Amino acid sequence: EPEVTQTPSHQVTQMGQEVILRCVPISNHLYFYWYRQILGQKVEFLVSFYNNEISEKSEIFDDQFSVERPDGSNFTLKIRSTKLEDSAMYFCATSTDPTDTQYFGPGTRLTVL
Amino acid sequence: AQTVTQSQPEMSVQEAETVTLSCTYDTSESDYYLFWYKQPPSRQMILVIRQEAYKQQNATENRFSVNFQKAAKSFSLKISDSQLGDAAMYFCAYRSAYSGNTPLVFGKGTRLSVIA
Repeated sequence: EPEVTQTPSHQVTQMGQEVILRCVPISNHLYFYWYRQILGQKVEFLVSFYNNEISEKSEIFDDQFSVERPDGSNFTLKIRSTKLEDSAMYFCATSTDPTDTQYFGPGTRLTVL
Repeated sequence: AQTVTQSQPEMSVQEAETVTLSCTYDTSESDYYLFWYKQPPSRQMILVIRQEAYKQQNATENRFSVNFQKAAKSFSLKISDSQLGDAAMYFCAYRSAYSGNTPLVFGKGTRLSVIA
């Protein structure tokens, strides 16, 4: 069964450094999402993406964040200058269309020291 | 904005017994989707079941079923014949059907323990 994959599984970085989290969607999926989950809290929406454009973003997704699909397969989330409070699990999700179920990747655990 | 409330932070169930997890939501929309996701210790988010609001029939997936009460804005998950592998965090989620690429709105989750 096709799966969403994410790399790395765990990223440790120093405050102020840039990180790039990568997601490979299921091959026929065209709608992409990033969510994050701070330890012990609920899953929060960051951004949705379709046709090489951001569709919707939350207030969490400020100027420090960006997304792109650089090569037609990977879908990336970049955090330009990480803060301690960016430490969280970051999930990529994808779907075939806006009404379809979103399938989640295994997540990337980001630790900012 | 839509909100999802899971009033039970923790639940426990004996193996082979049945347990029901509660979820309520607040929305002014009439067309939407509801989901239950399971998050085991690995922290992967796994879809358990999905319900379309326009369907009156409750969704079922093997041992998992929902009780969808649209007027009451309630969407509970029933797990029958509970197994040790069912132990996980369970998140209820809402998604609007009206605009294009809408995100999921999650509740805070219910941690389910299964006792052997």
